[in-house]
Amino acid sequence: QSALTQPASVSGSPGQSITISCTGTSDDVGGFKYVSWYQDHPGKVPRLLIFGVTKRPSGVSSRFSGSKSGNTAFLAISGLQAEDETDYFCASYKRGNTLWVFGTGTRVTVL
Amino acid sequence: EVQLVESGGHLVQPGGSLRLSCAASGFTFNIYNFNWVRQAPGKGLEWVSYIGSSGKTIHYADSVKGRFTISKDNAKDSVYLQMNSLRVEDSAVYSCVRNDLTGDESFDLWGQGTLVTVSS
Repeated sequence: QSALTQPASVSGSPGQSITISCTGTSDDVGGFKYVSWYQDHPGKVPRLLIFGVTKRPSGVSSRFSGSKSGNTAFLAISGLQAEDETDYFCASYKRGNTLWVFGTGTRVTVL
Repeated sequence: EVQLVESGGHLVQPGGSLRLSCAASGFTFNIYNFNWVRQAPGKGLEWVSYIGSSGKTIHYADSVKGRFTISKDNAKDSVYLQMNSLRVEDSAVYSCVRNDLTGDESFDLWGQGTLVTVSS
């Protein structure tokens, strides 16, 4: 399975905004409105942050937002906080036998 | 508590078999679709298999098709993954993951995972 490409690391200062990209193809990210984003703290199970490209589950801070342009999806985190320092990965529904494909993961560091 | 708990991971020789279980609790099990997702050491996440809420719709990744079988028992609130003809490259942490009910094909509940090691 070809993974979705994410930057290995992104950093920002407290209060700043950062954006994580997730690049796929027209068979996954570009072809469907089914991109989701997850926060992954070591030792914990992944937490759904964004689904359907832009939607937030109840209980998720409005500081997290999602968007998409062509074959690339984005997760934006505004008002960066120390608790945001962890790993994030994306996922997309995919055309073909492989139903879902995942991103390579991004480590967010709060400076 | 709403959770998924996997079990059954073990050290097994190449060519061997293993059955993983995923016990669900805290929610209405029979209305949800489930998946198995794996992560090999130092590698990214890989989707393995999907089963619909009724158990009738099933899909597999090409890498496991013909060797793995997914099933669910709505009476026991459990999902299973029967793994046969195991290969070294099947070594990974296997996680049970629930699809949400929005229809937007995302995963709203993950288990902690169970480790499968295939080695002689």
